[in-house]
Amino acid sequence: DVKVTQSSRYLVKRTGEKVFLECVQDMDHENMFWYRQDPGLGLRLIYFSYDVKMKEKGDIPEGYSVSREKKERFSLILESASTNQTSMYLCASIGGNYEQYFGPGTRLTVT
Amino acid sequence: AQKVTQAQTEISVVEKEDVTLDCVYETRDTTYYLFWYKQPPSGELVFLIRRNSFDEQNEISGRYSWNFQKSTSSFNFTITASQVVDSAVYFCALVNYGNNRLAFGKGNQVVVIP
Repeated sequence: DVKVTQSSRYLVKRTGEKVFLECVQDMDHENMFWYRQDPGLGLRLIYFSYDVKMKEKGDIPEGYSVSREKKERFSLILESASTNQTSMYLCASIGGNYEQYFGPGTRLTVT
Repeated sequence: AQKVTQAQTEISVVEKEDVTLDCVYETRDTTYYLFWYKQPPSGELVFLIRRNSFDEQNEISGRYSWNFQKSTSSFNFTITASQVVDSAVYFCALVNYGNNRLAFGKGNQVVVIP
């Protein structure tokens, strides 16, 4: 079974803090994704990576950066957290059949 | 460009009723894949089905069934005899062949009332 894990289920941070969200997949997938999910807006793509050290902006990259130093790990970084980044963050990786496998999500609250 | 529309945001049904979720998609490609995912209250998206653009056969899996119609660009999902455990958000998604970015609809919140 494909497994995508995320470092935290719940996280509370203060405005201005640097926040790291970690995602690890164990199926040797090349493509990994970070989404945020907000009520009424569905899933919105923040960044994705198609290989180690390669990244591409998604639809809402502002305020975020990513790091992919190893194939299995894809990190999302909030350089200076703001309250409008309070959201559910979902990581996914994609297999050869185009099916995306999702992690359990991190519910981030920025106060 | 690819786009998925799920018009109904929240649907409430009484247990044992059937519920149908509509999904309409737009794409210029002839080869693409369609998906449905379920997101229970725990938050993790669970894959339900994948259908490629060349396979218009309807599919049934237990109480779940899917109706794919290319003529109307729709990929609708029906839950028969709903149960409380079906309460979740359901997402329809589309990806064009050769492109790994999925386009998601905004989701349908299904509430099954006991």
